[in-house]
Amino acid sequence: GDSVTQMEGPVTLSEEAFLTINCTYTATGYPSLFWYVQYPGEGLQLLLKATKADDKGSNKGFEATYRKETTSFHLEKGSVQVSDSAVYFCALSDSSYKLIFGSGTRLLVRP
Amino acid sequence: DAGVTQSPTHLIKTRGQQVTLRCSPKSGHDTVSWYQQALGQGPQFIFQYYEEEERQRGNFPDRFSGHQFPNYSSELNVNALLLGDSALYLCASSSRRAWGYTFGSGTRLTVV
Repeated sequence: GDSVTQMEGPVTLSEEAFLTINCTYTATGYPSLFWYVQYPGEGLQLLLKATKADDKGSNKGFEATYRKETTSFHLEKGSVQVSDSAVYFCALSDSSYKLIFGSGTRLLVRP
Repeated sequence: DAGVTQSPTHLIKTRGQQVTLRCSPKSGHDTVSWYQQALGQGPQFIFQYYEEEERQRGNFPDRFSGHQFPNYSSELNVNALLLGDSALYLCASSSRRAWGYTFGSGTRLTVV
């Protein structure tokens, strides 16, 4: 079945450092891809999405590009802030109605 | 505009008991999905309700059941609770008219 694999955390960075969180997927069709963020004690918030190959999703300085040839959707940010500390989930949605999530990557940004 | 509201926020139950969790979708949304998020894991799809019927179901036993009411709110019921049912249960609402899921803050269920 479809699945999502993302790098294990925690990822610890200093403020203003460059961030990359790797995500790869397995899907039989042409899924839409998403990054969600979860702050402590809260639900999931959609960070960005891409619906077809070569699409780039972006929001709040975060970016990810849908790479069909490498089945990847890596999350990047040029300069992280302490407020970016959270758990980040990569997810896909195929032609069905559900979201399939990766296991999450915890990001800790130190001042 | 209220988002997705879930109740209660926290719950402690004993093994073998039954529990009901509740979800009110975002205004304008008519579809409700439920997810289970175990500690340190990503959310797992339980089922989705649309027009008061279960439209799709994930790999969960029949102990997990649900209901959707005419006002689009939903309940998740879990019977014969096991220790392994301890998790954060997330409700997500959406609309058939436009893509986009809005998640609630979840109900933290602890089974002792």
